[in-house]
Parts: sequence; C-alpha cells; structure tokens
Amino acid sequence: GAGVSQSPSNKVTEKGKDVELRCDPISGHTALYWYRQSLGQGLEFLIYFQGNSAPDKSGLPSDRFSAERTGGSVSTLTIQRTQQEDSAVYLCASSLESRRQPGAGGYTFGSGTRLTVV
Amino acid sequence: AQKVTQAQTEISVVEKEDVTLDCVYETRDTTYYLFWYKQPPSGELVFLIRRNSFDEQNEISGRYSWNFQKSTSSFNFTITASQVVDSAVYFCALTPLVFGKGTRLSVIA
Repeated sequence: GAGVSQSPSNKVTEKGKDVELRCDPISGHTALYWYRQSLGQGLEFLIYFQGNSAPDKSGLPSDRFSAERTGGSVSTLTIQRTQQEDSAVYLCASSLESRRQPGAGGYTFGSGTRLTVV
Repeated sequence: AQKVTQAQTEISVVEKEDVTLDCVYETRDTTYYLFWYKQPPSGELVFLIRRNSFDEQNEISGRYSWNFQKSTSSFNFTITASQVVDSAVYFCALTPLVFGKGTRLSVIA
C-alpha cells in the first residue's frame, strides 16, 4: 500500500486478556519494526524483522510479548495477559534497508494503535 | 551503549521566532545514521532528515536547518521563522533503533 497501515487504531481491553495488533507495511519494504510509546515518553524499541532472517527480539519487555511476520509482509504483535503498564501507543514502521545497518534506510511509520488496559 | 539525549522537554515560542532543538548522542560505532522525526498532534511520525556519520555538512531545507557536529556528538535542529503548524513533538534518533524522548514544541500565534 501507499503507507504503513495499523489496526485497530484504538483498543480497550480488560486486564488479563490477550490482544493482537496488526501492521501492514509498505509493499516491498524488507524491514519492519515495532516500537512502543508510553504517554509523554520516547519510542521504545520492541522487535525488528528483516527479510527472512531471525527477528531481533531484544526489546521485548517480557515473555508476554511476541510478534510474527508472515510471508515477509504483515506482522502481528501479540500481548498476552495484558497489564495496565502495557497501555501505550504501539507504532509499526517499515523500511527498505539491509540488515547490516538497522534503521539506516529511515522509517515510515504507521499511525499507531492506542492500547488501553483497564 | 547507544543513547540519545534531548535535554529540552518542552519549548514554547511565539510565531516567527527561531528555535533550536538540541540532540546529543552517544555511540561507539564509527558508522551510524542520525535522524529527526516530527510527531504532530495527529500522532503519526514524519521523517524529516537522515544524516550519515561521515557527512558533517550542514543542511538547509526551507525553514529547517540541521547542524551536525561530530566533535561534540550533537545534531541540532533549527526552525527559522516558526509557524503554528510547526507545533509538534520532535524526536532525534540514532541507528540502530534508538530514539530520544522528544521535545514538545509549541508555537503560539
């Protein structure tokens, strides 16, 4: 598509429930990133996919968080047993770049999913 | 470890004033990229500029200019003759994958 598409744009969930956030990157972009932005904070790196390589999961805050990218395109970020501290905007970005220099291609960000855990 | 510091949390200026947003970074890499992104109230992050660590030439794009100084590990961003539409949060970023906490700029008419 023309831009990075994220769905849903807003999600309210009860504590303890699982949620799935979706990201549809720009067609042809090999790299896909997930970031989290808590209120008034900067962007916290979560996970990075590049082509068919194993993802860089070093930013995932706990084992309740996981992500996958099917067919090198759409990605789903799953949060299990959500906690109130998971409330944030989850941003996805894609880029056309090589794995040797993550982020060097510059990111195109989606509009984010605002997750609220009540 | 990589780190980006944007010491100014919030800045407020009157329209038509010039304003400089500071960014200081730390890295042990010899090759790296620096970025500035704008996040308007709509929430979407907009790419502004990318700078390679080997290119210290300053850049001007319309009312925007960037001053990259490797000696002081700084990559500052200046908006000349600010406008209300410039009101946003501005993020400085460093490869790989590190963002500053952002500076909220409010331009008052």
